[in-house]
Amino acid sequence: NAGVTQTPKFRILKIGQSMTLQCTQDMNHNYMYWYRQDPGMGLKLIYYSVGAGITDKGEVPNGYNVSRSTTEDFPLRLELAAPSQTSVYFCASGQGQDTQYFGPGTRLTVL
Amino acid sequence: GNSVTQMEGPVTLSEEAFLTINCTYTATGYPSLFWYVQYPGEGLQLLLKATKADDKGSNKGFEATYRKETTSFHLEKGSVQVSDSAVYFCALSDLETGANNLFFGTGTRLTVIP
Repeated sequence: NAGVTQTPKFRILKIGQSMTLQCTQDMNHNYMYWYRQDPGMGLKLIYYSVGAGITDKGEVPNGYNVSRSTTEDFPLRLELAAPSQTSVYFCASGQGQDTQYFGPGTRLTVL
Repeated sequence: GNSVTQMEGPVTLSEEAFLTINCTYTATGYPSLFWYVQYPGEGLQLLLKATKADDKGSNKGFEATYRKETTSFHLEKGSVQVSDSAVYFCALSDLETGANNLFFGTGTRLTVIP
């Protein structure tokens, strides 16, 4: 049972480039989430999904897109990277009102 | 709206000292409350949780009690160890969306010195 896995671990982007952060969970959880963590701050919710084919915006969705074609995968897309998107990105999964399980994070720098 | 206010750090303690990290919240209704811990270079892990007023969550010697009257969920441990050095996040669940979205405090970095 790998839990929640994220790739890549680190990435440096130039302004205007695009990329996809991958997230996969093997716990058959319906709910999945993307958060960003800025230095010295708590995590803020970007997007979430309550099941395959269903996604919704969180607190800070601008500049990001998501899709959920399967229960296992919840990729996060950055279309036009900006310095303000430099952050650590965490994916999480959970079931209903239960605990959320977090991946190890992706550290993204936009220069 | 929902928000979590957490004691600012960093906090430095000697081994075996008593730990308190304060957390207060603002929420609509009665959310579940959580403490998550983040060890260096890792993702967040659930430390403990409480789902209703007066519930006490506990794990690994840490405790926190859900106090509705003071809207608080302070984290305590009687005797900290070097291995407890980490960043601690208080969080609440958003009941309105039905998706258990979490709102986090800013985190408190704890360093325990031998």
